[in-house]
Amino acid sequence: AQSVTQLGSHVSVSEGALVLLRCNYSSSVPPYLFWYVQYPNQGLQLLLKYTSAATLVKGINGFEAEFKKSETSFHLTKPSAHMSDAAEYFCAVSEGDFGGSQGNLIFGKGTKLSVKP
Amino acid sequence: DAGITQSPRYKITETGRQVTLMCHQTWSHSYMFWYRQDLGHGLRLIYYSAAADITDKGEVPDGYVVSRSKTENFPLTLESATRSQTSVYFCASSRDRGREQYFGPGTRLTVT
Repeated sequence: AQSVTQLGSHVSVSEGALVLLRCNYSSSVPPYLFWYVQYPNQGLQLLLKYTSAATLVKGINGFEAEFKKSETSFHLTKPSAHMSDAAEYFCAVSEGDFGGSQGNLIFGKGTKLSVKP
Repeated sequence: DAGITQSPRYKITETGRQVTLMCHQTWSHSYMFWYRQDLGHGLRLIYYSAAADITDKGEVPDGYVVSRSKTENFPLTLESATRSQTSVYFCASSRDRGREQYFGPGTRLTVT
């Protein structure tokens, strides 16, 4: 069964500092992986996705994530945090097009990012 | 490009009343989903649909009913609302199974 673990329910960084949000997954087949961002009182917005092409994936707003199969990880990074990055971030996994699965996304519990001036 | 919309955005109802949350998408996506979001529980899947007239239960379907007579609409009905159904409800759609989902803005439902 698939599962997603986001380490740290709350991460705080200073403006201009590196952002690192951690995501580990378990999947019995090569997964598809996603990061979403949620701003207050809004729906989830897709930041980036991994679908078995390049292992380093670039997304919107300067974020990127690297798929590491050996570590079963898909951590989200941004070199320099902006105040506007303050939001909640969700990692999600699916088993893609492979058989034996409903193919639904499984979401992590989320990590709330705070950015200090 | 309207994308995916939900209505109403906010709703207050009383225990025992029936309430329907609407979801509409303009992309002709095959898959549609309903989630609820609660503090401490993250996102939980209520129901999903692979196509018109095909629906299936998710993780927390009890107390909810869905229908999908048209590809673009996926209403969620609470037949007899309870206080435990106070939550933020999100609708999402996807081109294909396992692919990225696109979310609506949410409906904040309060059951008094």
